Amino acid sequence: GENVEQHPSTLSVQEGDSAVIKCTYSDSASNYFPWYKQELGKGPQLIIDIRSNVGEKKDQRIAVTLNKTAKHFSLHITETQPEDSAVYFCALLDWGALTFGSGTRLQVQP
Amino acid sequence: GAVVSQHPSRVICKSGTSVKIECRSLDFQATTMFWYRQFPKQSLMLMATSNEGSKATYEQGVEKDKFLINHASLTLSTLTVTSAHPEDSSFYICSARDHNGLNEQFFGPGTRLTVL
Repeated sequence: GENVEQHPSTLSVQEGDSAVIKCTYSDSASNYFPWYKQELGKGPQLIIDIRSNVGEKKDQRIAVTLNKTAKHFSLHITETQPEDSAVYFCALLDWGALTFGSGTRLQVQP
Repeated sequence: GAVVSQHPSRVICKSGTSVKIECRSLDFQATTMFWYRQFPKQSLMLMATSNEGSKATYEQGVEKDKFLINHASLTLSTLTVTSAHPEDSSFYICSARDHNGLNEQFFGPGTRLTVL
């Protein structure tokens, strides 16, 4: 199956700063790339997704960019807040099922 | 957004017993549901894909006789861990795909299984 690499594994930022998480993939015909936020002891929550027919999508403080040629997509969170602290997973659709990155633990310091 | 529920949220059982976990899509119909397992500080690993009215498709290395999946309706899938052992202790999460064609998957809150 598809392999998705996610970096960094941990990220600590000051409140108000921006956070960027990047994922790369090797070989996929996927046209769907979602991002999930998982808080401790809870299931993943879909926060934003992007399809291959666009290069960027924004929803308030969250944006996702996609470069299909370079095979990478990134999550951008601006004006971070303590409640943004969580584990974030990128994913892509591979043969009908999602393949997840390894996750990024984001800590926003107040 | 779409809501997926799981029950129970936590279960503790003795080694050798079976445990059933339910996954329900509350406000949409899901022809396809997925079961994942997540160990501490790790990513989600797909166990099986459950299609309504047909047999589940299991990922390589997942024992179908140990992890029984039933998807009897468009809103309910169940995972039964049979003859559970301590190594089966994990966080089990289901997801459901809305059959609106947009490929969005919505996850349940997860079930923490502890086998003593």
